[in-house]
Amino acid sequence: EVQLVQSGAEVKKPGESLKISCKGSGYSFTDYWIGWVRQMPGKGLEWMGIIYPGDSDARYSPSFQGQVTISADKSIGTAYLQWSSLKASDTAMYYCAKGGSWFDPWGQGTLVTVSS
Amino acid sequence: EIVLTQSPGTLSLSPGERATLSCRASQSVSSSYLAWYQQKPGQAPRLLIYGASSRATGIPDRFSGSGSGTDFTLTISRLEPEDFAVYSCQQYGRSPYTFGQGTKLEIK
Repeated sequence: EVQLVQSGAEVKKPGESLKISCKGSGYSFTDYWIGWVRQMPGKGLEWMGIIYPGDSDARYSPSFQGQVTISADKSIGTAYLQWSSLKASDTAMYYCAKGGSWFDPWGQGTLVTVSS
Repeated sequence: EIVLTQSPGTLSLSPGERATLSCRASQSVSSSYLAWYQQKPGQAPRLLIYGASSRATGIPDRFSGSGSGTDFTLTISRLEPEDFAVYSCQQYGRSPYTFGQGTKLEIK
C-alpha cells in the first residue's frame, strides 16, 4: 500500500525555524514527485511546490518561492518542508502528496501553529 | 498563473439527487490536465478524477468528470450520504499547479 506519513503537529513562536517531514512507503520513493499543499484555517488548498527525490529538483509556486524550502533525503525516503523564520500567517495545515501533476495519495497533514 | 473559479460556493441537495459542480479556468488548461478532489472535515483530500474525466482507483462510477479548455464539470449522479463534503479542482497544465477555492456540498 502506498502511504505518506507526516510528522506531528507543531506549535512555534514567530521568528522560529521549523522542518516538517513526509515519509513515503510502498513505492519507489525516488521515482515519483512529492508535492506540498497549504490549507489555512477554513480556506482552500494552495499548491506550494514539488520535489523529485531522485535528484532533488524542486519547483515552487511564486507565492511560496523564498518563503519555504522543499527538500528530500532519498536514503530514508523522506521529503521535507522547512521555514527559517516563521510568521503568524504560516499557521495552517500542511499536506504532502505523491505526484508531480495530480496528487494521490495524500499524507494525513501536519498542523503548524505559530503564535506568540 | 491560472486562476480556477468554482461554482457554486455552496450546493444544498438531498441524498439521491444529482450534483453538478463547475470549475472555470482563467486560461485554457492544456490537454485537459484537471483533477478533482473530495475533502471531508478533519481529513486529507482524496483524488476523485484526473485528466478531466478519468476516475481514480476505487472511486465509484456515480462520480464523473467532463470538460475541456476553460470549463470543467464534476457530476455526482445520485448522491449518497457520504458524498457531502468539499470538492476542489486543480489544474496541472501550467506551473504553478493551482487549485480552485472549493465547493461545499451540504445536505439540504
